[in-house]
Amino acid sequence: AQSVTQPDIHITVSEGASLELRCNYSYGATPYLFWYVQSPGQGLQLLLKYFSGDTLVQGIKGFEAEFKRSQSSFNLRKPSVHWSDAAEYFCAVGAGFQKLVFGTGTRLLVSP
Amino acid sequence: GAVVSQHPSWVICKSGTSVKIECRSLDFQATTMFWYRQFPKQSLMLMATSNEGSKATYEQGVEKDKFLINHASLTLSTLTVTSAHPEDSSFYICSARLLANEQFFGPGTRLTVL
Repeated sequence: AQSVTQPDIHITVSEGASLELRCNYSYGATPYLFWYVQSPGQGLQLLLKYFSGDTLVQGIKGFEAEFKRSQSSFNLRKPSVHWSDAAEYFCAVGAGFQKLVFGTGTRLLVSP
Repeated sequence: GAVVSQHPSWVICKSGTSVKIECRSLDFQATTMFWYRQFPKQSLMLMATSNEGSKATYEQGVEKDKFLINHASLTLSTLTVTSAHPEDSSFYICSARLLANEQFFGPGTRLTVL
C-alpha cells in the first residue's frame, strides 16, 4: 500500500534562512507527488506537484521540490524563508483512483 | 480559478442531532469530490470518494450509515453526519477533482458536538 513519511514533526528556521522539508514515499508505480500548505483552521493550498518530466519542480511562493526516484523522496525547499511561511506542510502521493495519501505533516516555525 | 467552498465554516450541535456540510466547486464542474477528516495536529484521512450520480465509495472503517454523502450535481456534494456524538467532533475538509490526479481543497468545516 502507498504511504508517505514526513520524518520531521516540526522544524524551526530563522527568517531569511534556507528550508528543506523531507518527504519519503512508498508507491509501486510512478507516483504523482504533491506538497500542500495549511494555515491554522484553513484548508489546503497546493504549492507544487510532480507528475513526470523534469525532476526539479517549481511552485508558488518561491518553493521548489526535487523528485529523486532512487531515494523515493520528494523534498521541499525554499532558499529564504519569510515569517509568513509559518504553517503546516503536507506531502502527498496520488494513489489509485486519484486518491491522495498524506504524510503526517511538518509544522514550520519561523523565528525572527 | 478552481475554487472550492464549504458551508458552514464551523458548526456546533447537540449530541444526537444531524449536521449537513456542503462542498461546492464554484468555477468548475467536478464529477469526483473527496471528503477528509482531520483531527487536531494530525494529517488528513480520506473518508470517502463522492461521484456525481452514484453512490459514494467509503474507506475502510468509515461508517457509511453515519456519514451520508450525496453528490447530486457536478458542483455540489454534501456530507451529513447523522446522530452526531462528541467523538465526531473534527475538522472536515472536502476537495474536488478538476484534472486527473489534481484536487482543489475547500477551507474546511469545524464540527463541535456537545
